[in-house]
Amino acid sequence: GAVVSQHPSWVICKSGTSVKIECRSLDFQATTMFWYRQFPKQSLMLMATSNEGSKATYEQGVEKDKFLINHASLTLSTLTVTSAHPEDSSFYICSAPQTGSYEQYFGPGTRLTVT
Amino acid sequence: DAKTTQPPSMDCAEGRAANLPCNHSTISGNEYVYWYRQIHSQGPQYIIHGLKNNETNEMASLIITEDRKSSTLILPHATLRDTAVYYCIVRDMEYGNKLVFGAGTILRVKS
Repeated sequence: GAVVSQHPSWVICKSGTSVKIECRSLDFQATTMFWYRQFPKQSLMLMATSNEGSKATYEQGVEKDKFLINHASLTLSTLTVTSAHPEDSSFYICSAPQTGSYEQYFGPGTRLTVT
Repeated sequence: DAKTTQPPSMDCAEGRAANLPCNHSTISGNEYVYWYRQIHSQGPQYIIHGLKNNETNEMASLIITEDRKSSTLILPHATLRDTAVYYCIVRDMEYGNKLVFGAGTILRVKS
């Protein structure tokens, strides 16, 4: 099946700094990608929909100025957590549907720890 | 998207069939039933999906009731590696349509 990668797989940063997470579709193009956040022992929460060539669509309650999303190409979306705080520590997961496919492919996730 | 209801947890003996139920009483005619699973600290993995007919693939079988208000995912011979959180999701098939995850069912396969 299709592969979605994320980089980095884990990152530790200091409070107040910004962190960028990349999501790549390795063998297919994705005009849409999704970003999720998952806290320990909780389900995945959809944060935003990333659209190639246009602005992202954020779910209610997600701060667009804090979680910057850029979908610069058909294979790459980035999520930047700006001015990170310890409460932003979480597991961030991206996904991408392949055109013409019923499946949505998920990345392996990025573990962010803010100290 | 219609909401789903799943039991919070289930246990299954290794080698036996695991039957995971899901209620989706408000499902609409153009919505499919999807199943994903998430093994600890990994991204979710697609298992199977269906509209109204029963479906089977190399991983599992999906049984959908005639009124489509509920479904059951069947893992025919559960192994320890099937221990995961299983999510039942309903959504329509439009490209780019988001997946909204509920709480899911924690399946523990025990030896």
